Amino acid sequence: DTGVSQDPRHKITKRGQNVTFRCDPISEHNRLYWYRQTLGQGPEFLTYFQNEAQLEKSRLLSDRFSAERPKGSFSTLEIQRTEQGDSAMYLCASSLVGGNSYNEQFFGPGTRLTVL
Amino acid sequence: KNEVEQSPQNLTAQEGEFITINCSYSVGISALHWLQQHPGGGIVSLFMLSSGKKKHGRLIATINIQEKHSSLHITASHPRDSAVYICAARVIQGAQKLVFGQGTRLTINP
Repeated sequence: DTGVSQDPRHKITKRGQNVTFRCDPISEHNRLYWYRQTLGQGPEFLTYFQNEAQLEKSRLLSDRFSAERPKGSFSTLEIQRTEQGDSAMYLCASSLVGGNSYNEQFFGPGTRLTVL
Repeated sequence: KNEVEQSPQNLTAQEGEFITINCSYSVGISALHWLQQHPGGGIVSLFMLSSGKKKHGRLIATINIQEKHSSLHITASHPRDSAVYICAARVIQGAQKLVFGQGTRLTINP
């Protein structure tokens, strides 16, 4: 399967714990996005990477959130000291920018986080 | 006011009916996406539009750039079309991130 993959698919944690999610984009894609979707709402932008550089972060991304893409391939999103309000679906998408590409974003299956 | 607004939020119809979901946006865009999300969360891209009209099977998407409006139509609807349909505007500036509507939950009854 050469699509975007995310791990884990589901995570249940207790308030105050740290969690880390992983996203593996489509291999030749140079751009990677993280979005968050709460129940009944559309996704919201969190941050994005162009290769290994994190170029924009949303105001939604508090100091407890950190994202990395160390080698310009997979990315991790860490949430420290989780709160119940962090419960959501975390979606990753990747795209190819440059040349004749259309920058169409392809989505992973998401990681559903539940904070008890 | 959200930058991307969809209507209706919920839609229930009988199998075979013609379905229309509307999307209005207020941001400058380079493209408009229609996405489908099934229970469990996975998002599938249906269309990416920058002008005119696209058709894929029973699905048709149109966009009017001047009016900042797009529609998704489903002809001969089927229960398997039941899903959440999301409109997303790809903003022109910077990240070209997607700004999403809140989604339309479509239920097609047999």
